[in-house]
Amino acid sequence: DAGITQSPRHKVTETGTPVTLRCHQTENHRYMYWYRQDPGHGLRLIHYSYGVKDTDKGEVSDGYSVSRSKTEDFLLTLESATSSQTSVYFCAISESSDTQYFGPGTRLTVL
Amino acid sequence: AQSVTQPDIHITVSEGASLELRCNYSYGATPYLFWYVQSPGQGLQLLLKYFSGDTLVQGIKGFEAEFKRSQSSFNLRKPSVHWSDAAEYFCAVRKTSGSRLTFGEGTQLTVNP
Repeated sequence: DAGITQSPRHKVTETGTPVTLRCHQTENHRYMYWYRQDPGHGLRLIHYSYGVKDTDKGEVSDGYSVSRSKTEDFLLTLESATSSQTSVYFCAISESSDTQYFGPGTRLTVL
Repeated sequence: AQSVTQPDIHITVSEGASLELRCNYSYGATPYLFWYVQSPGQGLQLLLKYFSGDTLVQGIKGFEAEFKRSQSSFNLRKPSVHWSDAAEYFCAVRKTSGSRLTFGEGTQLTVNP
């Protein structure tokens, strides 16, 4: 299995609070991604990174920001969490045109 | 933009029966195609992928998929399902240039004893 960890694995927070999720890889892959998974929607791309400090938006980026200061870490921040951001968040990594490998996920509940 | 449709939200089969999960894609050229499986509470695991060449691809756990350009399909098959195959299955498509995946909505597979 690809060396991908996500932290925390579970989090409950309140509306309006900031939240940061962390994805850490040990594979030295160039690309990293954040997805959210919701029933009936499959996985939808939030943001992705194609190198240190190089990021771009996905299809559902509103309300989220990301940062990548090191190859191994990709942070997803909800500046002010809302109930609509209750979801399961998955990180993935890939090396250029190769396959994406997924982390174990973070379950976020916003009350 | 590319898109993926998995027409079956939920499929139930008996253990030992054959399985076919459907996937249709929309893309102007030949895409890269993937099938992933997700067990409850877990991340996604790659079953197989198609980039080019032989249109019948073999994957892990006894799964195979066939790329049919004329039908814009990439259906997943298994000749004999095991109870441990119960999971959610996702088809995904990617352009030949770039790295972004587009996922289908998933098919939930239930296996009856």
